[in-house]
Amino acid sequence: EPEVTQTPSHQVTQMGQEVILRCVPISNHLYFYWYRQILGQKVEFLVSFYNNEISEKSEIFDDQFSVERPDGSNFTLKIRSTKLEDSAMYFCASSERRAALASYGYTFGSGTRLTVV
Amino acid sequence: AQKITQTQPGMFVQEKEAVTLDCTYDTSDPSYGLFWYKQPSSGEMIFLIYQGSYDQQNATEGRYSLNFQKARKSANLVISASQLGDSAMYFCAMSLSGGSYIPTFGRGTSLIVHP
Repeated sequence: EPEVTQTPSHQVTQMGQEVILRCVPISNHLYFYWYRQILGQKVEFLVSFYNNEISEKSEIFDDQFSVERPDGSNFTLKIRSTKLEDSAMYFCASSERRAALASYGYTFGSGTRLTVV
Repeated sequence: AQKITQTQPGMFVQEKEAVTLDCTYDTSDPSYGLFWYKQPSSGEMIFLIYQGSYDQQNATEGRYSLNFQKARKSANLVISASQLGDSAMYFCAMSLSGGSYIPTFGRGTSLIVHP
């Protein structure tokens, strides 16, 4: 079964450092997303990406964050200067269509657990 | 804007019994999809079941069924014959067909299955 792959599974970084989280969406999916989940809290939307540009972003997705699709398969989330409060699980997801009104909806990766120290 | 509410922060169930996890939603959009995801302690998000707003029948996937009551705007997840491996966080989510289609998640319910 096709899956969304995220690397690394865990990352520890020093405050102020840049991190890049990587995702390989399902190959025929066109819409890509990043979500984050601070430990014990709800899953929060960060950004969606379609046709090589951001289609929607939340208030969380400020100038510290950027996304890129550098080639035909990878989808990355960059945090320029990490803060302690960026520690969270980051999920990548992809979907075939814009609106997931069918059971094939959104497929999530296994997440990257980012710890900022 | 859509809103998802999960009022049960934690639930306990005996192994082999059924359990219902509550989810209510609020939207004025007539076309939407409702999802349930399972998040075990390892952290990944696992898709469980989907219900479309125009679906006439309640969705079922194995031991999972969705009690969809459109007039009450509720989409409760029913897990039958609970297993120890069902212990996890469960998230309800909704996606709209118009406007913001980005899935919105509830705060989740922690389910613990006792032997």
